[in-house]
Amino acid sequence: DAKTTQPPSMDCAEGRAANLPCNHSTISGNEYVYWYRQIHSQGPQYIIHGLKNNETNEMASLIITEDRKSSTLILPHATLRDTAVYYCIAPGGGSNYKLTFGKGTLLTVNP
Amino acid sequence: GAGVSQSPRYKVAKRGQDVALRCDPISGHVSLFWYQQALGQGPEFLTYFQNEAQLDKSGLPSDRFFAERPEGSVSTLKIQRTQQEDSAVYLCASSSSDWNQETQYFGPGTRLLVL
Repeated sequence: DAKTTQPPSMDCAEGRAANLPCNHSTISGNEYVYWYRQIHSQGPQYIIHGLKNNETNEMASLIITEDRKSSTLILPHATLRDTAVYYCIAPGGGSNYKLTFGKGTLLTVNP
Repeated sequence: GAGVSQSPRYKVAKRGQDVALRCDPISGHVSLFWYQQALGQGPEFLTYFQNEAQLDKSGLPSDRFFAERPEGSVSTLKIQRTQQEDSAVYLCASSSSDWNQETQYFGPGTRLLVL
């Protein structure tokens, strides 16, 4: 897996955009970047993934830099229910089914 | 449709007891994974099945841990002679294909407490 680095915590006001950064400077050309989140006492939930182009779905947008060394997950209008630990993962290598979660970023959405 | 389900949701065991944790993956999903999550940490990989074949068990912490998926659907994670350090949340995930980078869908986990 490519090593990923995320800030341990972030705060966001309800209704505002939450921008969560991730560095993955050792990522290789065929490694996807995945984002999962884990709400307290629940299993991780898939959010989005991408390779080199920006991606958007009903939950979030993923912006990947042109050199692919970093990415940003954007929740456009954060709600209190978005409070969770967000994990940026770049599974790679021969056993890229193994998700290495690290400690993630605890996003707290405040009213 | 139904997601990944796990049972029991909570399990308290006395040190030395054997426990069995069950995972029902999403119907038709080929791949199944087990992860262990200690308090305050991210999940850590334990083992991976493709249908009934256990292709990777490199994350199992000791030979007290055993996983099976005999018919390629339901899976059981068994822990023999439980120790206090086995206390954790055990998460099961499944994915629809054998493609390595396929999205994994997680169950709610089984919280195991060993006294």
